[in-house]
Amino acid sequence: AQSVTQPDIHITVSEGASLELRCNYSYGATPYLFWYVQSPGQGLQLLLKYFSGDTLVQGIKGFEAEFKRSQSSFNLRKPSVHWSDAAEYFCAVGARGSARQLTFGSGTQLTVLP
Amino acid sequence: SQTIHQWPATLVQPVGSPLSLECTVEGTSNPNLYWYRQAAGRGLQLLFYSVGIGQISSEVPQNLSASRPQDRQFILSSKKLLLSDSGFYLCAWRPRTGSTDTQYFGPGTRLTVL
Repeated sequence: AQSVTQPDIHITVSEGASLELRCNYSYGATPYLFWYVQSPGQGLQLLLKYFSGDTLVQGIKGFEAEFKRSQSSFNLRKPSVHWSDAAEYFCAVGARGSARQLTFGSGTQLTVLP
Repeated sequence: SQTIHQWPATLVQPVGSPLSLECTVEGTSNPNLYWYRQAAGRGLQLLFYSVGIGQISSEVPQNLSASRPQDRQFILSSKKLLLSDSGFYLCAWRPRTGSTDTQYFGPGTRLTVL
């Protein structure tokens, strides 16, 4: 069975600083990988996804993530954080061909200081 | 375009009362449908998923149940709520066919059991 670890429960950065949120996964084959963002009291919005091909994927709101098979990682990055990026971020892994699909990490809460 | 609706948005119920949460999807046919629960400070837990009308798979034993009476309608129910049922309930859909396995989430229902 697949699993996801987000080692940072809470991260605080200053507005304009760079950001990296860590995600490590466990899966026996090449996974589908996702990053979602959740604002307080809201549903989850898809930021980006990796299925195959280029290991550096671009998403919405200026986010990108890089799939590193050797490290079983899919870290989320943004070069300059905006105050509106404050939210909770979830990494998820999916099993190819499975209707059950996504397994989520426990999330990373991002606080942005002015 | 596809949209997903959940209602009610918030709900406060006494212990032992029944529950019915509804999720509907527009703009697509034959979707896979999912119910997740998000407890405070925790990640998402998959409760049920469905690949068709009347077809429900349960992930976690509990006092909740799910039904899919129509193609684009997914209902989460309980006969008697427990305090531990409090949380944020998210419905999601995914295209049944095609190369993408992306799940799209509704706005969620905040359930408080007192």
